[in-house]
Amino acid sequence: DSGVTQTPKHLITATGQRVTLRCSPRSGDLSVYWYQQSLDQGLQFLIQYYNGEERAKGNILERFSAQQFPDLHSELNLSSLELGDSALYFCASSVATAGTQYFGPGTRLTVL
Amino acid sequence: GIQVEQSPPDLILQEGANSTLRCNFSDSVNNLQWFHQNPWGQLINLFYIPSGTKQNGRLSATTVATERYSLLYISSSQTTDSGVYFCAVGGEGSGGSYIPTFGRGTSLIVHP
Repeated sequence: DSGVTQTPKHLITATGQRVTLRCSPRSGDLSVYWYQQSLDQGLQFLIQYYNGEERAKGNILERFSAQQFPDLHSELNLSSLELGDSALYFCASSVATAGTQYFGPGTRLTVL
Repeated sequence: GIQVEQSPPDLILQEGANSTLRCNFSDSVNNLQWFHQNPWGQLINLFYIPSGTKQNGRLSATTVATERYSLLYISSSQTTDSGVYFCAVGGEGSGGSYIPTFGRGTSLIVHP
């Protein structure tokens, strides 16, 4: 158990819908990262927050957004969902802006 | 962006055998991490190793940053070592952030 929690574990929804994925980092970690893992694209970095502020941005679509709250938990919002958004979404946390990252169990999103 | 190549893409071993996994990257990096994704999808941090050598039980890793590669050694492999091994590398972005790029992974199967 990495100490990072993600909810829900599974999510099935329809095209055009909007969903919110939630992540709680390890106690004491200030950075939260979001990743997408799909068969064709592999593991891709989406976005990083550090102590409530956006720190780095990767291959995140405009339909996706994220935020980190004062209690340091983070949410990833995915809107206008398409079939191709079906993937495993991971959250990771670290103490600082770089260094060892610890991954949550992931949320498996299926868009029908 | 940084290109990351992992080899071999697939590896099949008999329990007890040793193996070496390689990660080559195209640019200088300040951050490098090895992960194991088990058959249930969980991503487990193995090493944070931007340079030098580290050991943890039967696993060890060496990164030669000047030559842009890292090696992961697995000795006396066990069936629980099966899964996909990922290398993630990144330089330092603005504000000290770390944008990781993942390789495609090495899929390892260890037979009893």
